[in-house]
Amino acid sequence: GAVVSQHPSRVICKSGTSVKIECRSLDFQATTMFWYRQFPKQSLMLMATSNEGSKATYEQGVEKDKFLINHASLTLSTLTVTSAHPEDSSFYICSASPPGNRATEAFFGQGTRLTVV
Amino acid sequence: GNSVTQMEGPVTLSEEAFLTINCTYTATGYPSLFWYVQYPGEGLQLLLKATKADDKGSNKGFEATYRKETTSFHLEKGSVQVSDSAVYFCALSDYDYKLSFGAGTTVTVRA
Repeated sequence: GAVVSQHPSRVICKSGTSVKIECRSLDFQATTMFWYRQFPKQSLMLMATSNEGSKATYEQGVEKDKFLINHASLTLSTLTVTSAHPEDSSFYICSASPPGNRATEAFFGQGTRLTVV
Repeated sequence: GNSVTQMEGPVTLSEEAFLTINCTYTATGYPSLFWYVQYPGEGLQLLLKATKADDKGSNKGFEATYRKETTSFHLEKGSVQVSDSAVYFCALSDYDYKLSFGAGTTVTVRA
């Protein structure tokens, strides 16, 4: 199946610094990618939709200035957590789907465990 | 808006037991329905899907039927194995391609 690669898998940063997470579709082009956040023992919450060549669409309650999304090419989307604080510690996961319809399988990255100390 | 309600866990079973995880949904349109599985230390993988009413998705001995009349997509497996221990997520995708997930159900199968 299709492969979505996410990097880094784990990162620890100091409070106040910024962290960039990359999401790549390795064998297909994705005009749209999605970023999710997963709290311990909870479900995935959609944060934003990353659109190639245009601004990301953020879900209600997600701070766009804190979670900067850039979809610079058809195979790469980045999520930057700016001025990170301990409450931003979480598991972040991206997904992308090959071109198709809404029933097309979404492929997920391996996830990034962010710990802010 | 769209939402998915999933049976809460954790669920602990013995090998060869029958597994059912209930899932119901609310959607404005005609969604596609999915079950994703997350094995320990891994990312999410698609387990099965159904795209229209009465469709049955199946994979690895798991089955789920898209029931429009009861807005449900319950996951079943007749005989679980230790390797089925994982977190299972019910999800739907509507016209906007976004996935809405249930809370996840942790399943532990004991030998």
